[in-house]
Amino acid sequence: QVQLKESGPGLVQPSQTLSLTCTVSGFSLTSYNVHWVRQPPGKGLEWMGRMRYNGDTSYNSALKSRLSISRDTSKNQVFLKMNSLQTDDTGTYYCTREAYTTDSYWFAYWGQGTLVTVSS
Amino acid sequence: DVQMTQSPSNLAASPGESVSINCKASKSISKYLAWYQQKPGKANKLLIYSGSTLQSGTPSRFSGSGSGTDFTLTIRNLEPEDFGLYYCQQHNEYPPDTFGAGTKLELK
Repeated sequence: QVQLKESGPGLVQPSQTLSLTCTVSGFSLTSYNVHWVRQPPGKGLEWMGRMRYNGDTSYNSALKSRLSISRDTSKNQVFLKMNSLQTDDTGTYYCTREAYTTDSYWFAYWGQGTLVTVSS
Repeated sequence: DVQMTQSPSNLAASPGESVSINCKASKSISKYLAWYQQKPGKANKLLIYSGSTLQSGTPSRFSGSGSGTDFTLTIRNLEPEDFGLYYCQQHNEYPPDTFGAGTKLELK
């Protein structure tokens, strides 16, 4: 079955770089797009960016200057790197896989999320 | 970007009751709205997409309606497992995908 699992450091110091990994199973990264979504504590969901099946990427314009998404298809992993972290980057980070039709997509599968705290 | 306004932010109800959650888009998104349920310690769950299509496994007590800018999620005959957070998301115009601020459905 489709599974996604996020991993990474729980604590990051301000101004440092966050590195997260999304390990997937039950599908191929060369067939489906995977997105990153984050959620500050007690707040709503924010789309961060996506890795397309063909290796292309898209980013939220508000984060684009700090964010990079990459992948290793041989390891079934998608990576997120975000630099210059500040305290308002604290939150739960999710990876999610699309389901789609010819005219749209939605987030059918989610990981459980990984909590990242930005603090010295 | 399409802004999504979700209401109410909090909702209290009892098992067996029916509730409705609304989502309003800043411009027309045709039928392309999804609803998700969020519960602590569990993966977010897709309930409905394209406004009214139930995801496989979503109980029939959930229904979605609306088009254009105004959408509603209705839950009939609330079950204890239905209490949690609900989010809408437009999937018509992207990137970016945009979500509502959420509705917390609590036990009365």
